[in-house]
Amino acid sequence: GIQVEQSPPDLILQEGANSTLRCNFSDSVNNLQWFHQNPWGQLINLFYIPSGTKQNGRLSATTVATERYSLLYISSSQTTDSGVYFCAVASLLYTGRRALTFGSGTRLQVQP
Amino acid sequence: EAQVTQNPRYLITVTGKKLTVTCSQNMNHEYMSWYRQDPGLGLRQIYYSMNVEVTDKGDVPEGYKVSRKEKRNFPLILESPSPNQTSLYFCASSLDPDRGPNYGYTFGSGTRLTVV
Repeated sequence: GIQVEQSPPDLILQEGANSTLRCNFSDSVNNLQWFHQNPWGQLINLFYIPSGTKQNGRLSATTVATERYSLLYISSSQTTDSGVYFCAVASLLYTGRRALTFGSGTRLQVQP
Repeated sequence: EAQVTQNPRYLITVTGKKLTVTCSQNMNHEYMSWYRQDPGLGLRQIYYSMNVEVTDKGDVPEGYKVSRKEKRNFPLILESPSPNQTSLYFCASSLDPDRGPNYGYTFGSGTRLTVV
């Protein structure tokens, strides 16, 4: 099946700093999403971005499908950004059931 | 508000006592799915449904049942829960990507289940 690797695994920032999270995937995808899992366990959908660039406030994401990677940018980080960030992909090449394959996540801690 | 609603959010139960976790979506999505999340194992798909009365197994279906009698609802049933089913469960839904624009999966808020 498709492989998803995220880096870095852990990240500690001071409030106000910027960061870039990376997601590499092993094959072509028709779905790529970034999620934020908050300390209460909720999975919040940040971006649906199988290709191209999107921005939402302090967050933006870019997926270069031909090179099989995606980047999530967090600018001016806040303590509420803390949690685990997951990249998840799906490819009809591997399964018709459209299951998402999740990376292992980047654990972000923003310190005041 | 477009959302996937799971209930309950937290549940502690005893081994062998049947339980149902409900999932409902208000977005008219065809596709619904259940995942479980465990430390070190990540999120894994349990069951999925392509539409009403169409369900199939995911990666870890043992010990679970599902049904899809209505488009909006997709309950997860544990007939005889065991401690190894202690986990964080998520329901998700999406449009069928073959039928039109797809904006990805929307996840419910999760159900934290403990089986003692």
